[in-house]
This record gives sequence, structure tokens and C-alpha cells, in this order.
Amino acid sequence: GQNIDQPTEMTATEGAIVQINCTYQTSGFNGLFWYQQHAGEAPTFLSYNVLDGLEEKGRFSSFLSRSKGYSYLLLKELQMKDSASYLCAVRDSGGSYIPTFGRGTSLIVHP
Amino acid sequence: DAGVTQSPTHLIKTRGQQVTLRCSPKSGHDTVSWYQQALGQGPQFIFQYYEEEERQRGNFPDRFSGHQFPNYSSELNVNALLLGDSALYLCASSLGAGESTDTQYFGPGTRLTVL
Repeated sequence: GQNIDQPTEMTATEGAIVQINCTYQTSGFNGLFWYQQHAGEAPTFLSYNVLDGLEEKGRFSSFLSRSKGYSYLLLKELQMKDSASYLCAVRDSGGSYIPTFGRGTSLIVHP
Repeated sequence: DAGVTQSPTHLIKTRGQQVTLRCSPKSGHDTVSWYQQALGQGPQFIFQYYEEEERQRGNFPDRFSGHQFPNYSSELNVNALLLGDSALYLCASSLGAGESTDTQYFGPGTRLTVL
């Protein structure tokens, strides 16, 4: 089985930087995803990490440390539209290739 | 390039009824997965279809069943609805028979309310 933990809620100011952490425990590891989900909408893919290190994509970056079972999503130059739930999902190496999702972190960006 | 589409958008049913939800995958994708997302929770995997067969199944009862058609579209059927089945049902499509690099793309979801 898998255990994925992320903070329930975070708040930040427009223009600032925020880091959303995700820790996981799996019997094996085969990739970690971050998705953004606005209220009442479908999750949209943000990033995929399978090797250790930082992946940068515009204002968003994602980091992975497999030895620590740890990832974070870094959002820079926050905008009001970044207010959403951010889902961490982990895929194990058991052959299923189905990611298990955490409960999500609700990010509130205020002026 | 058409993304993942789902129908209907919203649905209201009563306990004991049956429901069918539909999904068309993103153009070029051949694999469809279904998820249930309760309010304030992450999506929970129901099952995945590839080549018109159920490849994998999550921890859901047999009341949940599905089908994939030759054009890769899919249906999710839920029988004997319970109040606890009220949720957002998400369809996700991907390409391939489970290669490690495939990424899932989600549809807008169907909001099911059971009264």
C-alpha cells in the first residue's frame, strides 16, 4: 500500500513564493505527479518526477528526493488564479502504473 | 486536439437506482481510467480499461462496472446507488498499456448526487 501526506491548507500573498510539500511511503517507487485542481473542475497535469532533482517549468518547479520519500511543488510569482487544490500522486513499481493520490493541499492566494 | 470529454455534467439519482456515465478519451489515447472523488478528498481509483478489457481494479464493490468500446470511449455503471456514492466521477485517459512514462489527462468530471 501507499501512504501520501500533504498539508491540508496553505495561504500565501500574491507575488510571493510558496512551497507545497508531499511525503510518501511506498513499497516501490515509479514516479510522482503533481496536479492542479480548481474547485469543481478536473485535475490538470503540472509535473512528473521519477529521478531525484528539480524540474522547472515556468513559474512552477517540482523537486524529488527518492531516498527521503519527499517531494515539493514550488510556485513563484503567485497569482490569484493559482488558488486551487494541489494534488500529489505517487505510482509504485508493482506493475500497476496507477497513481495513488493524496488528499490535496488547498492553496489560497490573497492580495 | 480534443481533450477528454465526459457526460453528463451533473446527475441526480435516488438510492437504489442505476446510473451510467460516459467518457471519450483524448485524441490518440487508448486507455481510460475512472476515479471517484469525494468532497475534500483526492481521486480514488476505480478501474482501468485497455483494449476493451478491465486491466486493473481498485477497492470498489462489484456494483461498479464498466465497459470500453472499440473507439476507446468508456462507460461507468453503478448499480443500487447508495448515498455514499455521491461524488465527482473523473475519467482520465492515457496512451499505452501501462508504460511507466504515460501521464493521465482528466476530463471535467460528472457530479453525481444520490438522494
